[in-house]
Amino acid sequence: DVVMTQSPLSLPVTLGQPASISCRSSQSLVYSDGNTYLNWFQQRPGQSPRRLIYKVSNRDSGVPDRFSGSGSGTDFTLKISRVEAEDVGVYYCMQGRQWPLTFGGGTKVEIK
Amino acid sequence: EVQLVESGGGLVQPGGSLRLSCAASGFTFSSYWMTWVRQGPGKGLEWVAIIKQDGSEKYYLESVKGRFSVSRDNAKNSLYLQMNSLRAEDTAVYYCARDTGRDHAFDIWGQGTMVTVSS
Repeated sequence: DVVMTQSPLSLPVTLGQPASISCRSSQSLVYSDGNTYLNWFQQRPGQSPRRLIYKVSNRDSGVPDRFSGSGSGTDFTLKISRVEAEDVGVYYCMQGRQWPLTFGGGTKVEIK
Repeated sequence: EVQLVESGGGLVQPGGSLRLSCAASGFTFSSYWMTWVRQGPGKGLEWVAIIKQDGSEKYYLESVKGRFSVSRDNAKNSLYLQMNSLRAEDTAVYYCARDTGRDHAFDIWGQGTMVTVSS
């Protein structure tokens, strides 16, 4: 199985400051078609998960442009340029490269 | 409005069975792979099962193979998860989600239904 490792586990951030979450996979997420199948989800308190980013860096419609995804191979990053109060929640990376599909353990973003 | 609504959760004894349903609306259900993801109390997300548009391909998390079965009825725009031989560790909120295809990037999620396995 592809193991997804996120860090940090918890990320206290001051409003207006940047935040960065790391996600590492135990195997390359590059598929034979050349695409890299790494997605990011946000789960606000008490809500269902919501997709933010797909295929490493493609932001979903309605997702603020302060969110950005980057990376390649086995090393990926989700960045929030200026954290706002509504960004509080848990962020998960997920690989769609192979079965079983696997999620990272999550990173909890909170306001200092 | 694109929507997924799960139902069928509840309290069940270890070894028991439960069938979850997910009603889809606002999109062409038969055009999408569909999936189930669960989240144990205070835990992270765990992918459980997935089914192709016509039901011809299904994949499962190893720990549920032989106990859970995913199915769909495209005429009813509905997804199902039959869960047998339930264990305490299956206790979780179960979400259905729409799969966007090869990239398996789940773009639409339901609100979830709680399954509690306890005596």
